[in-house]
Amino acid sequence: AQSVTQPDIHITVSEGASLELRCNYSYGATPYLFWYVQSPGQGLQLLLKYFSGDTLVQGIKGFEAEFKRSQSSFNLRKPSVHWSDAAEYFCSRLTDSWGKLQFGAGTQVVVTP
Amino acid sequence: GAVVSQHPSWVICKSGTSVKIECRSLDFQATTMFWYRQFPKQSLMLMATSNEGSKATYEQGVEKDKFLINHASLTLSTLTVTSAHPEDSSFYICSSNPWVTGYEQYFGPGTRLTVT
Repeated sequence: AQSVTQPDIHITVSEGASLELRCNYSYGATPYLFWYVQSPGQGLQLLLKYFSGDTLVQGIKGFEAEFKRSQSSFNLRKPSVHWSDAAEYFCSRLTDSWGKLQFGAGTQVVVTP
Repeated sequence: GAVVSQHPSWVICKSGTSVKIECRSLDFQATTMFWYRQFPKQSLMLMATSNEGSKATYEQGVEKDKFLINHASLTLSTLTVTSAHPEDSSFYICSSNPWVTGYEQYFGPGTRLTVT
């Protein structure tokens, strides 16, 4: 069965430091993958997506993600985090052509001064 | 573009009563909408797929008689939690896709339901 795994439930990072969030997927030829961010009181916002082509994907808010088929991974990175990046981050994959998504468990990011 | 709204943003109801949650696409027509449920500190779990003009498709384990979904127009889907119980307390989120922008979903801000 298809799955999306986010191994890190919680990450604490200092403001200005780099951030990497891990995401692994199972099953499927070329998965359609997404990273969403959920801030308190706000809906999920799409950071970036990967469908095909260039495996390094640029997103909003300075985020990027790299698709690695050999590792079944789609890790999210940001070179320098800001306090406003504190939020819950979800990796997800498309499971049908209508837009149905399967989500990972999420990673809570805490940013310290 | 691609804005999805939900109403209400939060609701408190007594056990045994029913509550309706609305999901609207504000600037596009939504043939399909999805309803998710999110418990505190947990991920989103898909409950059902709402299709305009036809019956919703429920995920395994979701009680269709408890969570009634109506998608009567291209901009509105409603989720009614019938005979609510405290265990139904959760964060309910809808999403949709205007298609022209690809497969990514646009999410509503969510509705916090508390059943007392």
